[in-house]
Amino acid sequence: DQQVKQNSPSLSVQEGRISILNCDYTNSMFDYFLWYKKYPAEGPTFLISISSIKDKNEDGRFTVFLNKSAKHLSLHIVPSQPGDSAVYFCAATNSGGSNYKLTFGKGTLLTVNP
Amino acid sequence: DADVTQTPRNRITKTGKRIMLECSQTKGHDRMYWYRQDPGLGLRLIYYSFDVKDINKGEISDGYSVSRQAQAKFSLSLESAIPNQTALYFCATSDSGHNYGYTFGSGTRLTVV
Repeated sequence: DQQVKQNSPSLSVQEGRISILNCDYTNSMFDYFLWYKKYPAEGPTFLISISSIKDKNEDGRFTVFLNKSAKHLSLHIVPSQPGDSAVYFCAATNSGGSNYKLTFGKGTLLTVNP
Repeated sequence: DADVTQTPRNRITKTGKRIMLECSQTKGHDRMYWYRQDPGLGLRLIYYSFDVKDINKGEISDGYSVSRQAQAKFSLSLESAIPNQTALYFCATSDSGHNYGYTFGSGTRLTVV
């Protein structure tokens, strides 16, 4: 049973436009969500996170939106740049649980075309 | 030096061989994890350890074992490698405070022939 779902394996956008990456989750105990970016031949790196007490968190060109009722979050990148081309993983956890660990989605490959 | 170091970076091994992947960290984190990445399957948890005396199975632990030799070292072993264990393996660390993010190593690309 996949608890974190990224239904789009890939996304292609033009440089300067908005990139929107989506993520759905099924576990209602999840209350903390993270996005990681991964370049080829490198490990994933932390990008941005959001707690369930918020519905938006912004960091420069990156904004994450959380819709708890829909169990849906999205990552917006504005404006998109060619250097943003990477695989993006959505991850979730129950921050209050003693058995803390992240559950990852399958990832979305973003390609930003010059 | 990297915060989380994995060795080797690449390895080709034969079916049936025993192989160990090593991970060391300088973050001072108490929690360490092993994940594997396969195309279309994302990151799946193999084993995790919350301290030196604590080892837990993840969602795909069959065929793997781990050893937490020290707070900074966490090794993953394949006792008898098989071709479907060909994958990219990542070690990650986190602390037990309120920072929920992981720090990942650069990965080990393992090919079993």
